[in-house]
Amino acid sequence: DAGVTQSPTHLIKTRGQQVTLRCSPKSGHDTVSWYQQALGQGPQFIFQYYEEEERQRGNFPDRFSGHQFPNYSSELNVNALLLGDSALYLCASSPARSGAFFGQGTRLTVV
Amino acid sequence: GESVGLHLPTLSVQEGDNSIINCAYSNSASDYFIWYKQESGKGPQFIIDIRSNMDKRQGQRVTVLLNKTVKHLSLQIAATQPGDSAVYFCAENPQETGNQFYFGTGTSLTVIP
Repeated sequence: DAGVTQSPTHLIKTRGQQVTLRCSPKSGHDTVSWYQQALGQGPQFIFQYYEEEERQRGNFPDRFSGHQFPNYSSELNVNALLLGDSALYLCASSPARSGAFFGQGTRLTVV
Repeated sequence: GESVGLHLPTLSVQEGDNSIINCAYSNSASDYFIWYKQESGKGPQFIIDIRSNMDKRQGQRVTVLLNKTVKHLSLQIAATQPGDSAVYFCAENPQETGNQFYFGTGTSLTVIP
């Protein structure tokens, strides 16, 4: 079992650009959540996908959007990147209402 | 928003000693809690969880204690090892939010050989 896998591991983008991050959940997990972790902070919930729909959303602007595919994998899209979007983006998968298992994250740097 | 905080941002312990990491949460509706360990450059790693119908849960070398009266959570690590050095987060899950977790800032544990 590969666990939760994310790609790419590192990414550098310019302000105003758009980025897509990808996540494959742990086998058997149908719920995928995305978190943003700024340096020295705890992860902050962005949103969660279940059955290909966004089920919950944290306090993030509409520039942050996502998608879940029939195989439960997911994408996080961020438009009009700002310098403040630089962070570690974490994907977590879980079966319903239980502990979330995290991937290694994608380190996004916006310059 | 939610408030999940840790009492001590840093903790240093001698190898072989026991470690105790504390966490306060603010939402009385939270009924599920998880401790995560995060090593540098890695994603958070699930350590142990506890639901609100329990006061204590034990794993391998770790014990989580939950005091719902004062909304406090602690993680005890027995016989701390150098490999335990990491940042530890508690995360709370309010029942009404489904599977959304709120994390604190974290406590950095350093084990001195």
